[in-house]
Formats: sequence, structure tokens, C-alpha cells
Amino acid sequence: KQEVTQIPAALSVPEGENLVLNCSFTDSAIYNLQWFRQDPGKGLTSLLLIQSSQREQTSGRLNASLDKSSGRSTLYIAASQPGDSATYLCAVRGSSGSARQLTFGSGTQLTVLP
Amino acid sequence: DVKVTQSSRYLVKRTGEKVFLECVQDMDHENMFWYRQDPGLGLRLIYFSYDVKMKEKGDIPEGYSVSREKKERFSLILESASTNQTSMYLCASSLFGQGIFFGPGTRLTVL
Repeated sequence: KQEVTQIPAALSVPEGENLVLNCSFTDSAIYNLQWFRQDPGKGLTSLLLIQSSQREQTSGRLNASLDKSSGRSTLYIAASQPGDSATYLCAVRGSSGSARQLTFGSGTQLTVLP
Repeated sequence: DVKVTQSSRYLVKRTGEKVFLECVQDMDHENMFWYRQDPGLGLRLIYFSYDVKMKEKGDIPEGYSVSREKKERFSLILESASTNQTSMYLCASSLFGQGIFFGPGTRLTVL
């Protein structure tokens, strides 16, 4: 059974820092991996989707990488801002591609201090 | 952009009431989902639908049912609400093998 781990559970950084969030998964046979942000009391907002054949995806100040062989993905946030404060979750889709095989991490709560 | 909407942001119901949570997506996605999210337990899948009138139980279907009469709409039904169903409910949709997109969530409180 796929297990997805996000460490640390919480992270606090000063504004302007570049930072990396981690996502580890136990079964490397994945279809894709998706990163989300969640603001308190809100739904999940999709940030980046990396297919299993890809190594990275970029959107603005965000860059997500995928290393299937080591079971790891990282989300890099450049020049962090207080507005980046949120919980960041990763989700891994199993190799069949079926949405039924979607496993979420428990998230990293990021606080960017002004 | 994909848009997933949910009928209510906040809902307060009494124990024993029948509760309907509605979800609509506008991107012709075949897959739709209902999750609940609780502190310390993360996201848990309640039900999943892969086509109109087709449904599959998720990890925690007890006490819930669903209805999908049209492709764009997926309803979650609490037949007799209980206090342990107080939670954040999240609807989502996706195409096969693609990203999953979530609605804004419904915070349900059962008194």
C-alpha cells in the first residue's frame, strides 16, 4: 500500500528566503504526483502536476521535481512571501492511473514571516 | 480553468436530519469524488464516481450515499446525520490520469 510522507509538518521562514518542501512515497510505480496548497478553511488549490515521465515542472516562483527511483518529490519556492503561508500537500496517483489510487500526504504547514 | 463548485460553504444540521451536499464541475470530467478532511486524519475518500450513475465506495462510506444523475453533478447524502459526521467535506473532479481539482469545501456541523 502506498504511503506518502511530508516532513517537516510545520516550517517557519523569514520573508525572502528560498525554501524546499519534501514529499516521500514508498511505491515508486506511480502515474503522476500533484502539489496543492490549502488555506485555512478552504479547499485545495492545484499548484503543479508532474507526470511519471517528467523530472520537473515550473510555475512562476514554484518548481517541483520528481525522482521516482528514490521515491521523492520536492517543491521549491523562490523568494518566499507572507502570502505563501498555507499548508502544502502532495498527492501520488498509482501506476494504473485510476483516480481511486490517489494517496495524499498529511501536509507541511508553511509560515512566512514578514 | 477547471471550476468545481459546492452548494454551501457552511452548513449546520441537527442529529438525525437528512443532509444533501451538492457539487458541480464545468470541465466534462468523468471522475468525481467526495472526501472528508479532519485534523490529524488528513483527507479520506468517501465515494468515487467514474461515470454517470456509476459509483464506488471509498475508504469510509458508512453513513453516506451518493448520486450522480448527470455528468457534471455529484451529490453526497447523509441519510441520518450524526455528530461524528461534523467535518470539512471536499468535492473534486478529474480526467483519467490527469490532475485532480477541488471545490472550496463545505464545513458541516452536526449538533
